[in-house]
Amino acid sequence: EPEVTQTPSHQVTQMGQEVILRCVPISNHLYFYWYRQILGQKVEFLVSFYNNEISEKSEIFDDQFSVERPDGSNFTLKIRSTKLEDSAMYFCASREQDYSNQPQHFGDGTRLSIL
Amino acid sequence: GNSVTQMEGPVTLSEEAFLTINCTYTATGYPSLFWYVQYPGEGLQLLLKATKADDKGSNKGFEATYRKETTSFHLEKGSVQVSDSAVYFCALSNNQAGTALIFGKGTTLSVSS
Repeated sequence: EPEVTQTPSHQVTQMGQEVILRCVPISNHLYFYWYRQILGQKVEFLVSFYNNEISEKSEIFDDQFSVERPDGSNFTLKIRSTKLEDSAMYFCASREQDYSNQPQHFGDGTRLSIL
Repeated sequence: GNSVTQMEGPVTLSEEAFLTINCTYTATGYPSLFWYVQYPGEGLQLLLKATKADDKGSNKGFEATYRKETTSFHLEKGSVQVSDSAVYFCALSNNQAGTALIFGKGTTLSVSS
């Protein structure tokens, strides 16, 4: 079964540094998402992306965050100047169509640790 | 607004016990409802879904029925196994609020032999 793959599995970064998290969505999917899960808390939506544009973003997704689809396969999340509170598990997801009854398929996540 | 409330965990059961994890939701319109499972060290996997009232989603012995009158989507399994130990997330998706998934806090299930 096709999978969403995320790299790296664990990223350790100094506060203030830029970090890029990478995702390869399922190949025929057109809608892409980033979520984060701070340890012990709920999974929170960050941003959705379609046709090279942000479709929707949450209030968490401020100017420090950006997303990009630099080629036909990768989907990246960049945090420009990391803060301690950015430490979390970041999940990428993709969906074939943008209907609420279609499930999103998730990667295994990247654990981001900010020191 | 849209929200999902799950029962607090952890839930600790013996093998072959009956499982219920409660989930209620608040939403405008007619959301789709999902249960996702996260095994240790892994990502979120779709367990089952229901897209309209009275639908029953089922997979791997787990079931959940979309109850609009009680705004609930409780997860049940008749006989749990040690391999079911994981974190279970209830989630909704509502076209009226975009297509982001809104998750509950998750319930940790621990099954012992």
